[in-house]
Amino acid sequence: GQSLEQPSEVTAVEGAIVQINCTYQTSGFYGLSWYQQHDGGAPTFLSYNALDGLEETGRFSSFLSRSDSYGYLLLQELQMKDSASYFCAANSGYSTLTFGKGTMLLVSP
Amino acid sequence: NAGVTQTPKFRVLKTGQSMTLLCAQDMNHEYMYWYRQDPGMGLRLIHYSVGEGTTAKGEVPDGYNVSRLKKQNFLLGLESAAPSQTSVYFCASSYSADSNQPQHFGDGTRLSIL
Repeated sequence: GQSLEQPSEVTAVEGAIVQINCTYQTSGFYGLSWYQQHDGGAPTFLSYNALDGLEETGRFSSFLSRSDSYGYLLLQELQMKDSASYFCAANSGYSTLTFGKGTMLLVSP
Repeated sequence: NAGVTQTPKFRVLKTGQSMTLLCAQDMNHEYMYWYRQDPGMGLRLIHYSVGEGTTAKGEVPDGYNVSRLKKQNFLLGLESAAPSQTSVYFCASSYSADSNQPQHFGDGTRLSIL
């Protein structure tokens, strides 16, 4: 089985940088994905790391260290619209995902 | 571009009733998934399908059945609903089994069992 741990809530102000950490314990691990969910709506894909290192997509970056079973999502130049829940998810066989419980990010003015 | 469409969006059932949730995707995706999301629990995989005519159990399959008779549709059935099945149900699809392929989610079905 797989389990992922991430903080339940993170707060930050507009324009700041925030990092959401994720640690995982898995049997069969292909990579780490990140999804965003606004107000209980459809989760949307943000990024995927198969290899160690940093992946950058605009204001968002994601990092993976397989040796440490650890990853993080970095959000820069925070905007109010970034207030949402963020989920890390471990990819295993048949592209199935095991999700963490989610981190609620609250961005204040 | 509809993407992944779930029907219905909301439903209230009485304990013991049955119902079917429908998921349809128009992206020609091979893989489809059903998740449930409960407060503080994240998304948990119920069942998934790797192609037309196939289904497989996920993390929490008990009390649910699924069918994939057509590539574009994935149905989730509750034969005898229980209050513990009150949840938000999300369907998702992906193009292939490659781990770098993202899953595309529907807007969810909010189901209450009284």
